[in-house]
Amino acid sequence: QSALTQPASVSGSPGQSITISCTGTSSDVGSYNLVSWYQQHPGKAPKLMIYEVSKRPSGVSNRFSGSKSGNTASLTISGLQAEDEADYYCCSYAGSSTLEFGGGTKLTVL
Amino acid sequence: QVQLQESGPGLVKPSETLSLTCAVSGYSISSGYYWGWIRQPPGKGLEWIGSIYHSGSTYYNPSLKSRVTISVDTSKNQFSLKLSSVTAADTAVYYCARVRSIVVVADFDYWGQGTLVTVSS
Repeated sequence: QSALTQPASVSGSPGQSITISCTGTSSDVGSYNLVSWYQQHPGKAPKLMIYEVSKRPSGVSNRFSGSKSGNTASLTISGLQAEDEADYYCCSYAGSSTLEFGGGTKLTVL
Repeated sequence: QVQLQESGPGLVKPSETLSLTCAVSGYSISSGYYWGWIRQPPGKGLEWIGSIYHSGSTYYNPSLKSRVTISVDTSKNQFSLKLSSVTAADTAVYYCARVRSIVVVADFDYWGQGTLVTVSS
């Protein structure tokens, strides 16, 4: 059982926006602005999409955005495209240089 | 461009020790940064195993701490993972990665391609 809770699946049509939630506790998500999001296509390594809650690494589309409220972080993808179909994982710093991942969310682009 | 490559046996017997190495190119480990190991059982999610600083300071997932050792060899520009007393539950794709920040172990910006390790007799 993962420390952070994500919906198992979400879906949306091309051009629409979707949001994936990541719920933790006051010991991880709620205490630190150190939530990151990863995109993983089948058979590939994860790719960092968002770090420190809402920052995008160079080269990541601005269609991807992150936010946090209390113990829940969120990843929003706007203007859905076919290539966005993938698994998405959240990750949070949990103190003492430890990390926790969410269980992952499968995004289907209809 | 930083590149990481995992290597090691693809099959390990139950109760034995899993050993993997991550070779880093395009960046000198001794120059800084934290490095880490993450695993993913088939069809399941990601699990952080642990991280190491170039100086050798280590941080482990509490659930695996008793069985995990991560070490660094700056002369070979690589770092390694050992996981003892393995069971079938340790079957997974193992990734090595670089921590993005030099200040805090919070996220990973460069990843290896991953290597599948199966635990079976």
